[in-house]
Amino acid sequence: QVQLVQSGAEVKKPGASVKISCKVLGDSYFRSYIHWVRQAPGQGPEWMGIISPGGDSTNYAQKFEGRVTMTRDTSTNTVYMELSSLISEDTAVYLCARDVDAGVGYFDPWGQGTLVTVSS
Amino acid sequence: IVMTQSPDSLAVSLGERATINCKASRNVLDIQKHKNYVAWYQHKPGQPPQVLIYWASTRASGVPERFTGSGSGTDFTLTISTLQAEDVAFYYCQQYFTTPRTFGQGTKVEVK
Repeated sequence: QVQLVQSGAEVKKPGASVKISCKVLGDSYFRSYIHWVRQAPGQGPEWMGIISPGGDSTNYAQKFEGRVTMTRDTSTNTVYMELSSLISEDTAVYLCARDVDAGVGYFDPWGQGTLVTVSS
Repeated sequence: IVMTQSPDSLAVSLGERATINCKASRNVLDIQKHKNYVAWYQHKPGQPPQVLIYWASTRASGVPERFTGSGSGTDFTLTISTLQAEDVAFYYCQQYFTTPRTFGQGTKVEVK
């Protein structure tokens, strides 16, 4: 059974970058497409992008193009999401989630979430 | 595709029915496959979201039968037939018909 375990909370200053990890456990064949979603306080979830199992293909939401980078360490099956030029509005819980159908399915399971606080 | 949920919050007595609506700004039905690309998630504080329903009406493994998804095309509904205390949570609809994947703004379900 696949399980996603994320790195811990981060506090960053405006203008900085943050890099969050999502370790994929129980995926013996390394077949998981992983999405990143964020949820700001009082708002619905917002899709940020997806990375392929080999890490060679990504698709980012237009809103985050140029500011987000998703990478993958296939040796440890860990996915990373880096968001640069942080502003206060980037304060949110960031979640990774597995796509059940090679990038065209719903999300299951989800990571536990990583709180990123952007504050001067 | 914009997903619009209603209501934003809902207070229901234990044992009573809770109904959440979700409207897609465009069709999310694949006519050839006869599938609506809509999922419903339950999100409790401090826990990761969990899928309840996919393909608009298919209950995920382990999900109680009191959760039912319905609808097609652009209009969808999640019904909790008899609300239990453990159902207090936020509920979100999502379309996975196209990229970017989009979610509803969420519905908070509480006990009256």
